[in-house]
Amino acid sequence: TQLLEQSPQFLSIQEGENLTVYCNSSSVFSSLQWYRQEPGEGPVLLVTVVTGGEVKKLKRLTFQFGDARKDSSLHITAAQPGDTGLYLCAGVVGGSYIPTFGRGTSLIVHP
Amino acid sequence: KAGVTQTPRYLIKTRGQQVTLSCSPISGHRSVSWYQQTPGQGLQFLFEYFSETQRNKGNFPGRFSGRQFSNSRSEMNVSTLELGDSALYLCASSWGGGSNTGELFFGEGSRLTVL
Repeated sequence: TQLLEQSPQFLSIQEGENLTVYCNSSSVFSSLQWYRQEPGEGPVLLVTVVTGGEVKKLKRLTFQFGDARKDSSLHITAAQPGDTGLYLCAGVVGGSYIPTFGRGTSLIVHP
Repeated sequence: KAGVTQTPRYLIKTRGQQVTLSCSPISGHRSVSWYQQTPGQGLQFLFEYFSETQRNKGNFPGRFSGRQFSNSRSEMNVSTLELGDSALYLCASSWGGGSNTGELFFGEGSRLTVL
């Protein structure tokens, strides 16, 4: 059973469109991270959220942590081809040092 | 600040052989974690080392092993390679202390192909 469910699995959109990626779990997380991974590279940390209801913005990317700290979303406004990649969420359960990763959302933005 | 360095980047082995992968963490980071990434299973946790001790271990067979040196550099070894071991092996470093939020800094990975 996957601890973290990400949806959708795949997303193919045109440049300029908006999109939202979801990360859901039945577990409560003390913190949650979002990463982006490009082909042939390692994941790169985008953001960490720790407080229920927290919203963080990174240019055109908006990250939200659910009030109950069981889910998160990533919204991209006016997507660009440079946003193409695999988006991974990872959650840390309290007391653990090891984050659990979702399987990722593969995003392709066509010019 | 130099990032996480993994070597080699690419390697090809045959079934039954063994392989050793190396990882140099970010300076000052004491925790090194290893993950296996495949298209079907995503990122799966292998093990984590902190101050030369294996602190956490995932659900992989004993053919997968690792160690950490006093300078925090880490190696992982896979013995008796199987076709299913073909994957991207990722090393990640973090400070690893008590207030750890789980943030990981990944290397570019070692792409292992087993023929």
